[in-house]
Formats: sequence, structure tokens, C-alpha cells
Amino acid sequence: DGGITQSPKYLFRKEGQNVTLSCEQNLNHDAMYWYRQDPGQGLRLIYYSQIVNDFQKGDIAEGYSVSREKKESFPLTVTSAQKNPTAFYLCASSFWRGTGSTDTQYFGPGTRLTVL
Amino acid sequence: AQSVAQPEDQVNVAEGNPLTVKCTYSVSGNPYLFWYVQYPNRGLQFLLKYITGDNLVKGSYGFEAEFNKSQTSFHLKKPSALVSDSALYFCAVRDMRGGADGLTFGKGTHLIIQP
Repeated sequence: DGGITQSPKYLFRKEGQNVTLSCEQNLNHDAMYWYRQDPGQGLRLIYYSQIVNDFQKGDIAEGYSVSREKKESFPLTVTSAQKNPTAFYLCASSFWRGTGSTDTQYFGPGTRLTVL
Repeated sequence: AQSVAQPEDQVNVAEGNPLTVKCTYSVSGNPYLFWYVQYPNRGLQFLLKYITGDNLVKGSYGFEAEFNKSQTSFHLKKPSALVSDSALYFCAVRDMRGGADGLTFGKGTHLIIQP
């Protein structure tokens, strides 16, 4: 987990609220990622960003939004449009050297979001 | 499309015995393969990866994995299990031709080491 921080560790949201999860890295990594983890389903990609001011949708982007204004930061907003947001959210980062890059993704400690 | 299968939801091993956690993959091109471990309520920790070269890859904490192209497998192994190895293990694959979104994870295998 070293070098990638996520806050808060636990987050509780009421129905209809937007919440923002923080992810910061000091590894000088180019690319950053957000995954959602549900029991028995592995990790599913929400959004990713290869460079500042650019990001792409992953497999399950609906109901989520992101920004990448700084290289070291990639916050995720869970909007009220996300139907079932209760999950464990993991941020990751890696170097990115283009197609075929062999760089390893390293993960933060995660944020557990619960909808009340 | 690429995919990863971890056929066992749970593997039980006695402490001191060898362990194997299975992974098979499907990609269009040549694969990059990864193993991660997750302890309860924690992020994923990188164990090892296969890029090219020797089919036997050595990683952290005494783990190793064997790449078998003909069987499209990348099984994780350890000669002697420790109780502290008990955790959730994920296999992941990236197509060599893939973009930054290209890492696909299996559903995970719970490894339980019994004292």
C-alpha cells in the first residue's frame, strides 16, 4: 500500500447523496485507476486515467465521475445515480509507457462505502 | 476480449504442505500475467508477474508461479504453506497489445492454511 493513500477508510452515504473518495499517490506514476470490489466478483474497472486532464470509462462507469487535475490525485465521485454503491473501492496507479506496457499496478488500502 | 478464471473459490491446505492456487486465462495475443494477494479490509499487494522468458517466476514471500502457454495457465505455488499465507488471491491478465485499461482480474480464491 505504500505511496498510495485513500481517504476516508470508511464512508457512509445516505440515499440521494453524492460522495467523493480521495486517492493520492507520491510514486510519480502516470496512470491511475479506480476499481470496485464486491464479494465473489473480483475487481471491476470504473475509470482510468493515463495522463493529467484525460480519463476514460471502464467497464462499470455509470453513476460515477472522476477528475484528473493533478498527476498525483484522482478523486472518484459516487453520484446518486449509482443504483447500488455499497462496495469496497480500490485506487491503483502505475507507470504507463504506451501499448504493451509491462508496468505493475499498485493499490491503495481502499475505502469501504456503505449506503444507509 | 480477455478473461481470467480461478476455478476454486477456496483452497484448504495444512501448514507445511505445498500449496497451489489455479488460474487460467484467455487473451487474443501474448499475455502479461500477475498475482496479487489481499488481506481482510486491505488493498491488493503485488506478488509476482510474468512478462516473458523463464516460465517459472519467483515472487514475494516465497511464492512462485508457472506459466504454461499450451494450457493457458499461470498457477501460483509455494513449497511450504504458512498460516500467515491465509488470504484472498487474485490472478490478472493483460493482453500485450492492450491499453491502460487492459488488466482483467479473476474472481479470487480464498486460501486457508490450517495449523
